[in-house]
Amino acid sequence: NAGVTQTPKFRVLKTGQSMTLLCAQDMNHEYMYWYRQDPGMGLRLIHYSVGEGTTAKGEVPDGYNVSRLKKQNFLLGLESAAPSQTSVYFCASSYGQANNQPQHFGDGTRLSIL
Amino acid sequence: AQSVAQPEDQVNVAEGNPLTVKCTYSVSGNPYLFWYVQYPNRGLQFLLKYITGDNLVKGSYGFEAEFNKSQTSFHLKKPSALVSDSALYFCAVSPLGGGATNKLIFGTGTLLAVQP
Repeated sequence: NAGVTQTPKFRVLKTGQSMTLLCAQDMNHEYMYWYRQDPGMGLRLIHYSVGEGTTAKGEVPDGYNVSRLKKQNFLLGLESAAPSQTSVYFCASSYGQANNQPQHFGDGTRLSIL
Repeated sequence: AQSVAQPEDQVNVAEGNPLTVKCTYSVSGNPYLFWYVQYPNRGLQFLLKYITGDNLVKGSYGFEAEFNKSQTSFHLKKPSALVSDSALYFCAVSPLGGGATNKLIFGTGTLLAVQP
């Protein structure tokens, strides 16, 4: 019962470096999401996907790109990391639309940009 | 603007006492409402949701929430708190219509501390 698995769990980057955060779910969910969690701000949606091969922008998409080449995987990319992107990143998936189906979350990736 | 407010950053309660974590929302139409819980260094876990019907919704771990349309509130409650309930609680609302059906708006979270 892996659920939603995020890789890596921790990472420290220097400003300007790039990296990809990996998210994998084994529940055959259509919908997948990337959020960032910052103190005092709750969770904010970065990008989401309603199915394999589709992506859409969320509330705070600037500086991030995503890809959903396979149904079970949702990748979040930072092309040129900035200190403002220091955060905890959560991936989630759901069977149906966010407005009526619970989302299942991974345990997060803690990212620090120096 | 559509939003969710959790007016208390922290709620302190003694074990065995009832607890309430407050949530109010501002969205157009009839919203779908959720509560999630986050334990340290973990992702969010679904507790309960209100879609329609009975205003009192029962969820996991003995929690329940009361939907009040006139007060635009969705407060989380539990009759008897446990130390293990100590965690960060998030209220979330889904606005209706178009692409918004794929989005949740989260509150800023309320830290619940249950003292033995």
